[in-house]
Amino acid sequence: SQQGEEDPQALSIQEGENATMNCSYKTSINNLQWYRQNSGRGLVHLILIRSNEREKHSGRLRVTLDTSKKSSSLLITASRAADTASYFCATEAGNNRKLIWGLGTSLAVNP
Amino acid sequence: NAGVTQTPKFQVLKTGQSMTLQCAQDMNHNSMYWYRQDPGMGLRLIYYSASEGTTDKGEVPNGYNVSRLNKREFSLRLESAAPSQTSVYFCASSESRTEQYFGPGTRLTVT
Repeated sequence: SQQGEEDPQALSIQEGENATMNCSYKTSINNLQWYRQNSGRGLVHLILIRSNEREKHSGRLRVTLDTSKKSSSLLITASRAADTASYFCATEAGNNRKLIWGLGTSLAVNP
Repeated sequence: NAGVTQTPKFQVLKTGQSMTLQCAQDMNHNSMYWYRQDPGMGLRLIYYSASEGTTDKGEVPNGYNVSRLNKREFSLRLESAAPSQTSVYFCASSESRTEQYFGPGTRLTVT
């Protein structure tokens, strides 16, 4: 069963604009991760935020985590056409090593 | 350092045929995973191996078997393929509580 739910399902913006994607989950977590998938390719890890962290940055990416609301957001600033991809959140909980995945947000950045 | 490799990249099977998908990682990771990805369904875990010598069922194990051959290799076997197993299959590896590294995927069509 899916734990994470991304919102929106699809997003279309112009180059240079910021893109914000949201992820909600259902249970307590150890960490939450964001991945990117370009069409026809495997997933690539972007950023991991632990349950005791509230915000994390990596280059043009900013991730926030609100454990009280069981939600996270991924902000991509100054988007580029190369950011066009699907973005997935995944959560890790408990002592097993499984990730529970959301259904993804499809981002299109138009030149 | 190839990361996670999968073979084959593409495969077409007839209903009832069997095949094995191969996966290998060179990052000395303890945990390995097999997922399937279908349109609109996100990633679903088939089986995983938390460490060498152990395997556990994921969300959708029916119709599949796995073998953790050694620390590097984790294979997925379809004993009697069905059209419902048409999908893109991804192998991944990780250390505990960290990101997963994905292979490029195998596109399987069962006719």
